[in-house]
Amino acid sequence: QVQLRESGPGLVKPSGTLSLSCAVSDGSISSNNWWSWVRQSSGKGLEWIGEIYHTGSTKYNPSLRGRVSISVDKSKTQFSLTLSSLTAADTAVYFCARRGIDAYGAHWYFDLWGRGTLVIVSS
Amino acid sequence: AIQMTQSPSSLSASVGDRVIISCRASQDIRNNLAWYQQHPGKAPQLLIYASSTLQGGVPARFSGSGSGTDFTLTISSLQPEDFATYYCLQDYNDPWTFGQGTNVEVK
Repeated sequence: QVQLRESGPGLVKPSGTLSLSCAVSDGSISSNNWWSWVRQSSGKGLEWIGEIYHTGSTKYNPSLRGRVSISVDKSKTQFSLTLSSLTAADTAVYFCARRGIDAYGAHWYFDLWGRGTLVIVSS
Repeated sequence: AIQMTQSPSSLSASVGDRVIISCRASQDIRNNLAWYQQHPGKAPQLLIYASSTLQGGVPARFSGSGSGTDFTLTISSLQPEDFATYYCLQDYNDPWTFGQGTNVEVK
């Protein structure tokens, strides 16, 4: 069964840059799915950050635009998140997730999630 | 961005109770709404998509309804494993946005 696994540093400094990766266990990163990042903080609940398709097409949350970048590495079957100009407000659990489509091709939904990784922004 | 408002933010219930959670969108999202369950320390899990379609493997005591701006999640007979936080999510227009969550706790 396919699994997603986040990796990256748990502590980053204010004004620094966060880099996280998400490995897709069965190598299906070139399938018909969007590969997403979602974060969860006590202050703002669940927040969609952005996503990428295997062709490289991306979508980002305007609230983070200018600070966020998502890339895909098909040779490593993983996708990555970069978030810059960090502040304490970026402290959160970061999830990677797959947004897949139903059998009728009508609805997309987050059907698979990683376990999440806690990122603390602090000096 | 479309705003999603859930009510109540928390509720207390007993095993066997019928539980109803509401979600309201700030604009018409047709039936592009999903419901997720999250236990502490775990990732959200998909329960329902397209407002009323049960995800495979999800017990039939969960059901969803609604279209346009008003939606509900119903748990017909609450089970011990259902004590968790529930979130709605609109996938009509990006940025995809979540409700603030409803915590279902033991009465």
